[in-house]
Amino acid sequence: EPEVTQTPSHQVTQMGQEVILRCVPISNHLYFYWYRQILGQKVEFLVSFYNNEISEKSEIFDDQFSVERPDGSNFTLKIRSTKLEDSAMYFCASRRDGNYGYTFGSGTRLTVV
Amino acid sequence: AQTVTQSQPEMSVQEAETVTLSCTYDTSESDYYLFWYKQPPSRQMILVIRQEAYKQQNATENRFSVNFQKAAKSFSLKISDSQLGDAAMYFCAFRYGGSQGNLIFGKGTKLSVKP
Repeated sequence: EPEVTQTPSHQVTQMGQEVILRCVPISNHLYFYWYRQILGQKVEFLVSFYNNEISEKSEIFDDQFSVERPDGSNFTLKIRSTKLEDSAMYFCASRRDGNYGYTFGSGTRLTVV
Repeated sequence: AQTVTQSQPEMSVQEAETVTLSCTYDTSESDYYLFWYKQPPSRQMILVIRQEAYKQQNATENRFSVNFQKAAKSFSLKISDSQLGDAAMYFCAFRYGGSQGNLIFGKGTKLSVKP
């Protein structure tokens, strides 16, 4: 069964550093998403991406965040200057179209120290 | 704005028994989708079951079924013949209809299964 692949599985970074989280969505999917889950809390929407541009973003997704689909397969989330409160599990998800469900990756655990 | 409420932070069930997890949601839309996701200790998000709002028939996937009450805006998950591997966090999620749309999650219910 096709999978959404996320790398790395765990990243530790110093506060103020830039991090790039990588995702390879399922190849025939059209919609791409980033979500985050702070430990013990609910899963929160960050951004959606369709047709090579951001289609929707939450208030969490401020100027420190950006997304790219540089080569038609990878889908990246960049955090420019990490803060302690950015520590969370970050999930990438993709969806085909219509009423198809989302497929989530296994997540990247980001720890900011 | 759409909200999803899971009123049971934790639930416990005996192995082989049946358990029901509650979820209510609030929306003024008529076209939407509802989902239950399972998150085991590995923290991967696994789709358990989904329901289209326009379908009156409750969705079923093996031991998992839902009780979808559209007028009451209720979407509960029933797990029959519970197994140890069912122990996980369960999240209810909502997406409005249309080609795009992000998931809105509830806070989750932690399910424990006792042997």
